Amino acid sequence: TQLLEQSPQFLSIQEGENLTVYCNSSSVFSSLQWYRQEPGEGPVLLVTVVTGGEVKKLKRLTFQFGDARKDSSLHITAAQPGDTGLYLCADSAGGYQKVTFGTGTKLQVIP
Amino acid sequence: EAQVTQNPRYLITVTGKKLTVTCSQNMNHEYMSWYRQDPGLGLRQIYYSMNVEVTDKGDVPEGYKVSRKEKRNFPLILESPSPNQTSLYFCASRLKRAGNTEAFFGQGTRLTVV
Repeated sequence: TQLLEQSPQFLSIQEGENLTVYCNSSSVFSSLQWYRQEPGEGPVLLVTVVTGGEVKKLKRLTFQFGDARKDSSLHITAAQPGDTGLYLCADSAGGYQKVTFGTGTKLQVIP
Repeated sequence: EAQVTQNPRYLITVTGKKLTVTCSQNMNHEYMSWYRQDPGLGLRQIYYSMNVEVTDKGDVPEGYKVSRKEKRNFPLILESPSPNQTSLYFCASRLKRAGNTEAFFGQGTRLTVV
């Protein structure tokens, strides 16, 4: 069974700071997705990365996929309170109907 | 509006009393899944379905049942709930297509078994 470990588990920062969260897999990713979950809601997709070494940008969020496709990072520039939430990485190595999620990084951005 | 609808949002029940959590999607998605979310353990897949009448176990299926009689509905059944099934449950659906497609989640059902 694939294991996805995310770090750090918790992160509390001031508005305007930069941060990076990580996702590491026990096996090679099939295709990696990052989701954000706000309190009281279900996760919402942020990005899908497929190719080793791939970098994708979504406004202030930069997603990087490791060359060996076993790790990924999410970097947020100038964090805002609206970025607060649980960030989850996910992979479908077991098939597109069977998705494995990481343990999550809980981010709090203080105004 | 494209959405996944779960009911109820909150449920408190007693040990052993059968319950059903409903899930419905209006996007004509083939794939549907149930997850439970517990602190420190993330989202764990309970059951998934690839289409009508096709279901299979996820990582934590013990104590749960599902059925997929219609494409849009995927209810989760707890025949005899126990306190260790207290959790936050999510239903999700996704389109069957080449590549990893986006999973759409419901708003969650917070279940407490006493």
